[in-house]
This record gives sequence, C-alpha cells and structure tokens, in this order.
Amino acid sequence: NAGVTQTPKFQVLKTGQSMTLQCAQDMNHNSMYWYRQDPGMGLRLIYYSASEGTTDKGEVPNGYNVSRLNKREFSLRLESAAPSQTSVYFCASSETGGLMNTEAFFGQGTRLTVV
Amino acid sequence: EDQVTQSPEALRLQEGESSSLNCSYTVSGLRGLFWYRQDPGKGPEFLFTLYSAGEEKEKERLKATLTKKESFLHITAPKPEDSATYLCAVHPSGTYKYIFGTGTRLKVLA
Repeated sequence: NAGVTQTPKFQVLKTGQSMTLQCAQDMNHNSMYWYRQDPGMGLRLIYYSASEGTTDKGEVPNGYNVSRLNKREFSLRLESAAPSQTSVYFCASSETGGLMNTEAFFGQGTRLTVV
Repeated sequence: EDQVTQSPEALRLQEGESSSLNCSYTVSGLRGLFWYRQDPGKGPEFLFTLYSAGEEKEKERLKATLTKKESFLHITAPKPEDSATYLCAVHPSGTYKYIFGTGTRLKVLA
C-alpha cells in the first residue's frame, strides 16, 4: 500500500501563476485534509473534506480552492500564486467515522516556492 | 478556542539521557490526542493515539501519557536516530479537524 501520495514533490512558480497539487489515498478513508507547514507556525489546516462530496474551510483558506474528486482524491488549487504561499504542503487522510483509530496519515509533502 | 502548545521548542540530549516533551491542550471535548515524528524533508509519521486521561502507550524508547490537560512523550535512553521533530495534535469532539502544536525539535548527540 502506498498510503497517501502527493504530486508534485517540488514546484517553483512565478507570482500570478496557477497550479494544482494532487493527492490520492488508498486506505479507503472518508476524510482528507490539506495543511501547510511554515517555520515556527506548525501545521495549519487549509481545507478539509469530511467525506466524498463535502469540503470545508480550515484555518487559512484564503487564496486556495479544493476539489474532492472522488473518495480517493483531493486536490488543492492555487489560482494566482503569491510569495506568501511559499510553503510545504501536506495532504492527509483519516477514518473519522469510527469510534476509535482516528489518526491521520500524511503524504511526503510538496515543497512550493513562489518567486 | 481549541489550542495545542508544545514545550520545549528545542531539546538537545546526550545519548542515554532520558527526558520528556510536553503537550498542553485546550479543547471543548477530546476525541483523541496524537503524537507524530517528523524527519527533515518528510511528512509526519504517526506514533501514538491516546483517548482518555490515564492512558499510556509505549513503543521502543518512547512512552506517551495523557492527563486531562496535557500529554507527555517520555524518551528513555535516547539514541541519535531518535533525533527528529515531535508533533502533538488533538482531534476535538464533534469536528473533523486535527489541531497541531508547533513541535519540539529533538537532537540526540552521540
């Protein structure tokens, strides 16, 4: 099992360019998440999808959009990239419908630089 | 407001020198508390889940404990390969979110 797979692993964008970060999980989890990680700020939630067909804003949603394409895939789109969006982006998934075992599993991250 | 605070920010230990990392949390209700390990350039790797006060989990040199307000990650006789950032997260009841602390960067010197 691959777990959570993110593509691309690295990306450099110019200010104003757009791009989509892809995420897929093979654990049949209902919930998926996008976080960004910045030095000294920890992991901050951008958007999440509690289940297929639903998406909700997290702590820092401005400048981003998401699509829950199906149960496996959850993409993050930057419509007009800004230098403030330079960060490491992590996708995660979890099974939140059960009573126990609700830990989230993370991908390896996408390192994005906006110049 | 749900919040997680980790201390210390950074910790340097000699090999074999045991210590503890702290995670203080404020949530309206706790569905679970999680510890992760993160190596440079990698995603967080799940270590433990704790669900209720008094619960303890162990894995090799690591032991996690939980009270109503905080969790501790005890590291016994650490080795250089234990060097990493350790993250704490809470899953508040009634939500789908995971709220993370900023982590403790651990360096174990040989």
